[in-house]
Amino acid sequence: DAMVIQNPRYQVTQFGKPVTLSCSQTLNHNVMYWYQQKSSQAPKLLFHYYDKDFNNEADTPDNFQSRRPNTSFCFLDIRSPGLGDAAMYLCATSRDLGQHYYTFGSGTRLTVV
Amino acid sequence: ILNVEQSPQSLHVQEGDSTNFTCSFPSSNFYALHWYRWETAKSPEALFVMTLNGDEKKKGRISATLNTKEGYSYLYIKGSQPEDSATYLCASSPYGGSQGNLIFGKGTKLSVKP
Repeated sequence: DAMVIQNPRYQVTQFGKPVTLSCSQTLNHNVMYWYQQKSSQAPKLLFHYYDKDFNNEADTPDNFQSRRPNTSFCFLDIRSPGLGDAAMYLCATSRDLGQHYYTFGSGTRLTVV
Repeated sequence: ILNVEQSPQSLHVQEGDSTNFTCSFPSSNFYALHWYRWETAKSPEALFVMTLNGDEKKKGRISATLNTKEGYSYLYIKGSQPEDSATYLCASSPYGGSQGNLIFGKGTKLSVKP
């Protein structure tokens, strides 16, 4: 089945140690998104790629970066994780921008120790 | 800043009960309203995308309505089953905002007891 896959399911990283989260899709969708959901809060968009065009949300910290080397893969890099970055990170795709359905991965839960 | 609010935060019902919950969103610059179901350890699953005022959509025992003028949407589940237990997220997509930016509520966590 076509899907969005996130690896790993759980990630533990040390305070200040760079970490990369991975997302891949088999849907050939144009748009890939990264959302952050902290405990008891709503998922919040960090950035998205429309094809190779990167769109950063204004309030996304500089500590968060993203790469999309090809249509299928998108990475979230956290350069120096802090305790406040512990969250569920959700990757999603959509065929195009606008009112299209999003397809989500099952998320990576990041713990910072 | 746009806020999407969902109520209640959590809900416990018995199998067979019908239930509903609310999503409120800013009615200005409205473009689309999305509903997702998110079961524990799984991916959020798209239920509905709604754009027109007065729109009503149905998928099995689940239906949703939309009022864009007053800025709310209701999700109804008829005859709840244990497998309906999940967090139900709504998200608004504002017109003219960061394209594709879904603004989510915190969700309503539904627990259905057998």
